[in-house]
Amino acid sequence: DGGITQSPKYLFRKEGQNVTLSCEQNLNHDAMYWYRQDPGQGLRLIYYSQIVNDFQKGDIAEGYSVSREKKESFPLTVTSAQKNPTAFYLCASGRGWETQYFGPGTRLLVL
Amino acid sequence: AQSVTQLDSHVSVSEGTPVLLRCNYSSSYSPSLFWYVQHPNKGLQLLLKYTSAATLVKGINGFEAEFKKSETSFHLTKPSAHMSDAAEYFCVSNFGNEKLTFGTGTRLTIIP
Repeated sequence: DGGITQSPKYLFRKEGQNVTLSCEQNLNHDAMYWYRQDPGQGLRLIYYSQIVNDFQKGDIAEGYSVSREKKESFPLTVTSAQKNPTAFYLCASGRGWETQYFGPGTRLLVL
Repeated sequence: AQSVTQLDSHVSVSEGTPVLLRCNYSSSYSPSLFWYVQHPNKGLQLLLKYTSAATLVKGINGFEAEFKKSETSFHLTKPSAHMSDAAEYFCVSNFGNEKLTFGTGTRLTIIP
């Protein structure tokens, strides 16, 4: 059963804490992406990776970090430097910038 | 600057009546255009895409969209709304094989 999985579905962050969101795909896609979604706004690109061991900043990378050690996995860390982390985070994969396939999302809340 | 504008933040229609969700783009050349749907607390699902082939594009669940270069529009339509169509819809563009540009979304409400 091919697709993209994200975990956890809900995540709670305490003040000063780093948290990591998981994204895994078995679609054999080279490219993977992380987006942030806030109410009433479109998706904004945080980071993207077009090949293993390489990634680039998107439009709102400050306070976030990523790694791409395996083709299937692209975890996102929300660091304590991100002062407004409450949002819905979506991971996607694709064969480039064209059609992207999205995971079910992780909702991050601050305690 | 290249951009995508969804003209309505919220659209309400009665069940069984037509749906029209409007999208305009701004670009010096023809982009690739997509419509995605998002149900509450879910990821985005591709409805349809236009990539410079036929201007009338048919998608899943009875949706279709027409690319009109003269009007720089890519409106999404469906002849008869179902309750299950209630969701957020995003018009998305890709200008010259660069990152996707998302509209701000249109929330579709279906009235029983």
